[in-house]
Amino acid sequence: TQLLEQSPQFLSIQEGENLTVYCNSSSVFSSLQWYRQEPGEGPVLLVTVVTGGEVKKLKRLTFQFGDARKDSSLHITAAQTGYTGLYLCAGTGNQFYFGTGTSLTVIP
Amino acid sequence: GAGVSQSPSNKVTEKGKDVELRCDPISGHTALYWYRQSLGQGLEFLIYFQGNSAPDKSGLPSDRFSAERTGGSVSTLTIQRTQQEDSAVYLCASSLMQGASEQYFGPGTRLTVT
Repeated sequence: TQLLEQSPQFLSIQEGENLTVYCNSSSVFSSLQWYRQEPGEGPVLLVTVVTGGEVKKLKRLTFQFGDARKDSSLHITAAQTGYTGLYLCAGTGNQFYFGTGTSLTVIP
Repeated sequence: GAGVSQSPSNKVTEKGKDVELRCDPISGHTALYWYRQSLGQGLEFLIYFQGNSAPDKSGLPSDRFSAERTGGSVSTLTIQRTQQEDSAVYLCASSLMQGASEQYFGPGTRLTVT
C-alpha cells in the first residue's frame, strides 16, 4: 500500500515555465519532507514542513503543507535546466514513507 | 565530514547467488535505513535500525532478505538466492535520530541479477 501518491509521475517542460507537483495521502503526518534525486545519486533533502498550512520558499521553489497535514505541494517558478531530477515527498509518522516520485525534465 | 558510503557501487550476479551490500553511515547517526528503488520510481522501505533497539523489518519483501548493523555503525544487507526481480538500486540512509530528522543518503548500489 502506497501511503503517499505523487502527481504527475512524469513532467517535461520548457525552461522558464512554471509547474506544480502534488503529494497526497489519506494519512496525517507529523512532518513532510521533499527530496530531489539526480541520476546515480541518492536523494537530497530540500525542505521539511511541520505545521499545517506552512509555506516555505527556497529560491524558485515554494513548498506548502496542507492544513490537515495530509498533503503537500511543490511549485517551481520559471524552472531552469538545473531543476531536472526526481522529486520525492516523504512523510513521517511511525515510519518514514516516501512518495511515488515525480520525474521532472526541464528542456533548454 | 564524510557522507554515507555504500559498496559496491555496482553488482552483477547470477540468479540464485547470494549478495552482500554494505553501508557506512555518517559517524554519530543513530538511525539507519535501507530502501530499494526501481528505475525512476519512488523508494520502497526495507528495514530500519535505531540505536540498540530491535530493527523494524516490516518492509523486507521476503525471508531471503536480511540485514545487520554491527556496533551501531556499519550495516550489511544480504539477499540470498537472488531472483531477477531483486534487480534495483539499493539505497542506504542515516539520520541523527528517528522522525523528522533529515536523512542523508548514500549513492546506492545498483544490483543486476542475470
